[in-house]
Amino acid sequence: GQQLNQSPQSMFIQEGEDVSMNCTSSSIFNTWLWYKQDPGEGPVLLIALYKAGELTSNGRLTAQFGITRKDSFLNISASIPSDVGIYFCAGQRSRAGGTSYGKLTFGQGTILTVHP
Amino acid sequence: GAVVSQHPSWVICKSGTSVKIECRSLDFQATTMFWYRQFPKQSLMLMATSNEGSKATYEQGVEKDKFLINHASLTLSTLTVTSAHPEDSSFYICSATGTSGRAGKGGTQYFGPGTRLLVL
Repeated sequence: GQQLNQSPQSMFIQEGEDVSMNCTSSSIFNTWLWYKQDPGEGPVLLIALYKAGELTSNGRLTAQFGITRKDSFLNISASIPSDVGIYFCAGQRSRAGGTSYGKLTFGQGTILTVHP
Repeated sequence: GAVVSQHPSWVICKSGTSVKIECRSLDFQATTMFWYRQFPKQSLMLMATSNEGSKATYEQGVEKDKFLINHASLTLSTLTVTSAHPEDSSFYICSATGTSGRAGKGGTQYFGPGTRLLVL
């Protein structure tokens, strides 16, 4: 099925560095979500964005919903070892009654490794 | 709030047997549940969408007779892998969305911890 274009695919950084990853799409989404997945676990919601242009923070995480509704980025500041994992962006079309209502389209994921 | 559980967390079965995986929303009513499978180092692939009290909607290429989904209540959906084969070995993850509270905002999906299936 359709996937979002998420980059970079992987990152190797030093503890304390900032991280940035982004997702782009050829089509519009009403909602952008960022999830983190640890090995052997389900994805955990980090940030949800509901309006174009919205900038939202959650601790050291900041995410923005692109003004065109076709992209989003996630920044992690001052990374720590427990930030290690796979980060997924997901776009959602929330128009009730449509065949794709509520479905998520996922990016390929960004594997983050943090060296102490 | 918005906690989703799955049971079992892992299962090993013989080829040809059926395996049932449960997905429960613990603190909200899940009007819609989604079932995904994930292969190692890959993204999540949606298998089907399940609405309480109605038949599941399967994604293209997913066999509905092989992956039986039942969403009999607002807190429970089950996925049964029938006549499992080694190629069905995967990580199966459910998610749920509701109509109230945190899980009801914008239809945000909350994921279970996943079930690792190994078919021998």
